[in-house]
Amino acid sequence: SQTIHQWPATLVQPVGSPLSLECTVEGTSNPNLYWYRQAAGRGLQLLFYSVGIGQISSEVPQNLSASRPQDRQFILSSKKLLLSDSGFYLCAWSIRKSGANVLTFGAGSRLTVL
Amino acid sequence: KNQVEQSPQSLIILEGKNCTLQCNYTVSPFSNLRWYKQDTGRGPVSLTIMTFSENTKSNGRYTATLDADTKQSSLHITASQLSDSASYICVVSARYSSASKIIFGSGTRLSIRP
Repeated sequence: SQTIHQWPATLVQPVGSPLSLECTVEGTSNPNLYWYRQAAGRGLQLLFYSVGIGQISSEVPQNLSASRPQDRQFILSSKKLLLSDSGFYLCAWSIRKSGANVLTFGAGSRLTVL
Repeated sequence: KNQVEQSPQSLIILEGKNCTLQCNYTVSPFSNLRWYKQDTGRGPVSLTIMTFSENTKSNGRYTATLDADTKQSSLHITASQLSDSASYICVVSARYSSASKIIFGSGTRLSIRP
């Protein structure tokens, strides 16, 4: 069966510090991978998605970047965090199949920037 | 404009009672509609998925309906339990879509009181 792992679960970082959130998927090959952010009381906002190694699409301009160094690994990064980067970050995957886009989410990473 | 609107924004009911959550969408061309349950501080978990030809689907005490003509869906919870306290998110996908065409509602926050 497929599983998705996301870490760290919680993170408190000072403004200006770097960030690295990691996500890995097991039990499947060639998945679509996604990073979402969820602000308190708000819906999910798509940040990045990837359809293959090294292929990253960004949905909104921001202080963050993403990388996919391996087929089942997706990393969310920042060189210098801003206060506005605080939020709940969710990694997700879906089968690479046109029209399906059924997402399976990780447990999430709570980032607090102070 | 592709949108998904959910109502009510929040709901409090007594344990054992039934409730119905609403989702209206304007996503086109429609592919599928999913309901997710998100416990506080966790990633969303899929409850049901319906395509254009399906108008009802059940998962235990959860029953989702879809009216593709009026572009409305509902999630009915029967005999609510304390563990049903969570946010319920309606998600609509467009056909032949990229990741950017997965549209999330803002969710309904459901609280079950003993």
